[in-house]
Amino acid sequence: KAGVTQTPRYLIKTRGQQVTLSCSPISGHRSVSWYQQTPGQGLQFLFEYFSETQRNKGNFPGRFSGRQFSNSRSEMNVSTLELGDSALYLCASSFGGAGATNEKLFFGSGTQLSVL
Amino acid sequence: SQKIEQNSEALNIQEGKTATLTCNYTNYSPAYLQWYRQDPGRGPVFLLLIRENEKEKRKERLKVTFDTTLKQSLFHITASQPADSATYLCALHGSSNTGKLIFGQGTTLQVKP
Repeated sequence: KAGVTQTPRYLIKTRGQQVTLSCSPISGHRSVSWYQQTPGQGLQFLFEYFSETQRNKGNFPGRFSGRQFSNSRSEMNVSTLELGDSALYLCASSFGGAGATNEKLFFGSGTQLSVL
Repeated sequence: SQKIEQNSEALNIQEGKTATLTCNYTNYSPAYLQWYRQDPGRGPVFLLLIRENEKEKRKERLKVTFDTTLKQSLFHITASQPADSATYLCALHGSSNTGKLIFGQGTTLQVKP
């Protein structure tokens, strides 16, 4: 069974640009969560999607958005990039979602975003 | 406010010894707690899950305890090996945080041969 796939692996952007990151969950998993990881803040929850609906949201500005498609693949978009958005963005999938069913999360390797 | 605290200082131990990592939390009433391992440049990998009504869970050389009175979980690696060197993260959610698994900052373990 293929794991969680995130693309691209690395990305370099400049301030003010926008970026779209992609996540393909494990086959059969319907929940996709996104996290931002930085050395200072650790793993911060961005949002979770389940069956194409955003089910939970973290405390990030509206510049961070996401969506999920009918095949459970998810994309995350960050508009008007700031220097502080430089981070490792991780997506994680599970069948029903970590909260509702005590399930563990399966993480991808992440997209390393550098904003110059 | 809600907090999950792990020792931010790296833990250095000698091969063969037992490593003990701590996870403390405040203002949470988690139904369960999870531990993950993260290697540099990779996503976290699930290790163990322990429920609030379980005091201890074991898996091979790993042992996790969960004390809801102290609001603390301990993660032990016995007979540690250099390959155990990584960052270990605890994660939990309360009943009011459905779908949100919240992570601690992680503790980096370095096992020296």
